[in-house]
Amino acid sequence: SQQGEEDPQALSIQEGENATMNCSYKTSINNLQWYRQNSGRGLVHLILIRSNEREKHSGRLRVTLDTSKKSSSLLITASRAADTASYFCATDGNDYKLSFGAGTTVTVRA
Amino acid sequence: NAGVTQTPKFQVLKTGQSMTLQCAQDMNHNSMYWYRQDPGMGLRLIYYSASEGTTDKGEVPNGYNVSRLNKREFSLRLESAAPSQTSVYFCASSDPSQGAKNIQYFGAGTRLSVL
Repeated sequence: SQQGEEDPQALSIQEGENATMNCSYKTSINNLQWYRQNSGRGLVHLILIRSNEREKHSGRLRVTLDTSKKSSSLLITASRAADTASYFCATDGNDYKLSFGAGTTVTVRA
Repeated sequence: NAGVTQTPKFQVLKTGQSMTLQCAQDMNHNSMYWYRQDPGMGLRLIYYSASEGTTDKGEVPNGYNVSRLNKREFSLRLESAAPSQTSVYFCASSDPSQGAKNIQYFGAGTRLSVL
């Protein structure tokens, strides 16, 4: 079964707005990662946050992690048309495997 | 630097036919993975190879076999294809020993239809 579950399933925003998506998981983790998938392409790693970190930034991306609530959020600020994609969280239990959620589909309208 | 290369990109099979999906990586990674992606279900792990010479079942291994041919190559075989195996298949690689991270690098995918 999948470890992570993203919310919402789909999100439509205007260019320049912020996009926020959430991920909940069930068991303890070593780290949590976010990936992006453009239509018809493979997944691309965006950012990793370790279990002992609470917040991490990379460019226009901000990730938070709350291990007590077993949840994470990904914020994309000042969205662009190129941010239109599906976003997946993946949990790493330090057993060589990642567990992916079903993803959030983000559409950025011009 | 090609990264992870999958072949073929598209394939149509008839029920009962067999085929092998090929995957090669040029990043000297120890670990390799095969996933399938179905609408609304994210990625599900079929098989993985933590290191050369080892393979293990993932979440949905039934109907598939794998071979870790060498450090670079990891193939996925469908012995007798079924319509339920219609999906997009992704290969990925990683080196979990690097700082205890398991950042995975993905190929472009193989779109398989079984009629």
